[in-house]
Amino acid sequence: QVQLVQSGAEVKKPGASMKVSCEASGYNFTGFYIHWVRQAPGEGLEWMGWINPNSGVTNYAQKFQGRVTMTRDTSISTAYMELSGLRSDDTAVYSCARDVQVLYYHFFDFWGQGTLVTVSS
Amino acid sequence: DIQMTQSPSSLSASVGDRVTITCRASQTINSLLNWYQQKPGKAPNLLIYGASNLQSGVPSRFSGSRSGTDFTLTISSLQPEDFATYYCQQIYSPSLSFGGGTKVEIE
Repeated sequence: QVQLVQSGAEVKKPGASMKVSCEASGYNFTGFYIHWVRQAPGEGLEWMGWINPNSGVTNYAQKFQGRVTMTRDTSISTAYMELSGLRSDDTAVYSCARDVQVLYYHFFDFWGQGTLVTVSS
Repeated sequence: DIQMTQSPSSLSASVGDRVTITCRASQTINSLLNWYQQKPGKAPNLLIYGASNLQSGVPSRFSGSRSGTDFTLTISSLQPEDFATYYCQQIYSPSLSFGGGTKVEIE
């Protein structure tokens, strides 16, 4: 069965960097894009970007350009999202999601369990 | 970037009510819009893709429609398990975006 398993919760100081992993299993890792989405406490969903695990090509939301880096290691079917220059308003649950294509459409069909990152001095 | 404006941000309704949630895109996105349901502490769950296509396993009381850049999610008869937050998502642009969410609460 398809699973996306993320790394555990982190506490970071302002200005530091964070790196969350997303290990995929149960399907061909290189066949589906991986997206990263975050959700601040009590807030909505915020799309951060995607990575094509096959080519390594990425696309980031403009808001995070220059601060976010998405990578992957195909040998262990794992995607990573690194965010630098952390601020208190980066406190959120960060989730990876698999993107599946059906006809002309695509959508997120499986999600990781989410990783809470708390930024606090 | 394409902005998705969702309304209302919250609503109160009773079991059996017909509920309508709207999402407006800042530019044309054709029918490239998805709807998700999220319950507290859980990952979002796809309800509708391509504006009006019901995802497999989703009850038929959920439906989606499009009129230009306006999109609607309708729950024909609200059930207790439908109390949740709903999000639209545009997939027209390579840079995706979500609406702000609509929280459906018990009246």
